Amino acid sequence: AQSVTQPDIHITVSEGASLELRCNYSYGATPYLFWYVQSPGQGLQLLLKYFSGDTLVQGIKGFEAEFKRSQSSFNLRKPSVHWSDAAEYFCAVGADTGNQFYFGTGTSLTVIP
Amino acid sequence: NAGVTQTPKFQVLKTGQSMTLQCAQDMNHEYMSWYRQDPGMGLRLIHYSVGAGITDQGEVPNGYNVSRSTTEDFPLRLLSAAPSQTSVYFCASKPDRGLGYTFGSGTRLTVV
Repeated sequence: AQSVTQPDIHITVSEGASLELRCNYSYGATPYLFWYVQSPGQGLQLLLKYFSGDTLVQGIKGFEAEFKRSQSSFNLRKPSVHWSDAAEYFCAVGADTGNQFYFGTGTSLTVIP
Repeated sequence: NAGVTQTPKFQVLKTGQSMTLQCAQDMNHEYMSWYRQDPGMGLRLIHYSVGAGITDQGEVPNGYNVSRSTTEDFPLRLLSAAPSQTSVYFCASKPDRGLGYTFGSGTRLTVV
């Protein structure tokens, strides 16, 4: 079965600290992987995506993610968190074509000064 | 380029009332979907469409209807609102190949 697991419901980090949000997936075909961010009261914004090639992908707002096929993981990282990064983060997996798209349940990030 | 536009942003309904949530995209995307977002449950797919005239059910379709008469528009209809339909609703669209979904800003619906 296709699924995405984000094991951390809520994470709190200090401003300036590094961040890693975990994402594991189960997908029967070649996965296309995504991270979205949702600020309070807003829609979801695409942070980055992985289709193929270099397993370390760069996204907007200084985020990056690394695809590890052997671990079925696509963890999101940021070297130094800013207060404006406080938001909900969703990992998703889909196919290269068609409508298959599966979201994790999200990780809520709190940033303390 | 407006992307995905949802209206209204906020709505309060009484139990049993009907209404339509509007969604329009100007990117000529083939796929469009409606999701609902509830605390602790992430995003759940209600209905989706793979092109004009073609719709199908998602994970939680009961109580909702959709139609896709044009590529641009994908309205979601609540036939008889229930308190369990209190949620935030997101419309999203994507092209057939690659990329990911582009989301609207959401409609916050309260059914009293």
